[in-house]
Amino acid sequence: DQQVKQNSPSLSVQEGRISILNCDYTNSMFDYFLWYKKYPAEGPTFLISISSIKDKNEDGRFTVFLNKSAKHLSLHIVPSQPGDSAVYFCAASRASGTYKYIFGTGTRLKVLA
Amino acid sequence: DAGITQSPRHKVTETGTPVTLRCHQTENHRYMYWYRQDPGHGLRLIHYSYGVKDTDKGEVSDGYSVSRSKTEDFLLTLESATSSQTSVYFCAISESEGTEAFFGQGTRLTVV
Repeated sequence: DQQVKQNSPSLSVQEGRISILNCDYTNSMFDYFLWYKKYPAEGPTFLISISSIKDKNEDGRFTVFLNKSAKHLSLHIVPSQPGDSAVYFCAASRASGTYKYIFGTGTRLKVLA
Repeated sequence: DAGITQSPRHKVTETGTPVTLRCHQTENHRYMYWYRQDPGHGLRLIHYSYGVKDTDKGEVSDGYSVSRSKTEDFLLTLESATSSQTSVYFCAISESEGTEAFFGQGTRLTVV
């Protein structure tokens, strides 16, 4: 039973345009969400997070939106750059209690120059 | 970069042999995790630790054991390696609940 789902395995976007990556979760106990970027042969690197008390968090070109009623979050990258081409993972956790992060299966983003 | 070192970085081993992967951190973070990454499955949690000698199972713990005898080291042992354990293994650390986790560079393990 997958608690965190990324239903799009891949996404291609033109340079300069917006990239939107989506993530759904099933466990209503999750209250802390994260996005990671991963390049080949490297470990995942943390991008941005959001607590369930917020519906939006912004950091430069990256914005995460959280819709708690739909159990859905999305990562917006504007403008997209070729260096953003990577696999993106969303993850969910609880801010207290379970100490662990549950990841989705990832979306491979390709930004076309 | 967070001070996380995984060793070895690459290993080829034979079916049935024991294998131990090491994760070493210099951040004094309380929580440590072992994940495996496989195509189509993303990152799956194997075991995690919330303090010295305090560990618990993750989603895919069968065939794996862990130990944490001191804050900085978290060991993952495959008691008897199988081909299904061929994967890339990542260690991660986090300071506290509700904060981000930082990952090591990974260990590519091949079981032949």
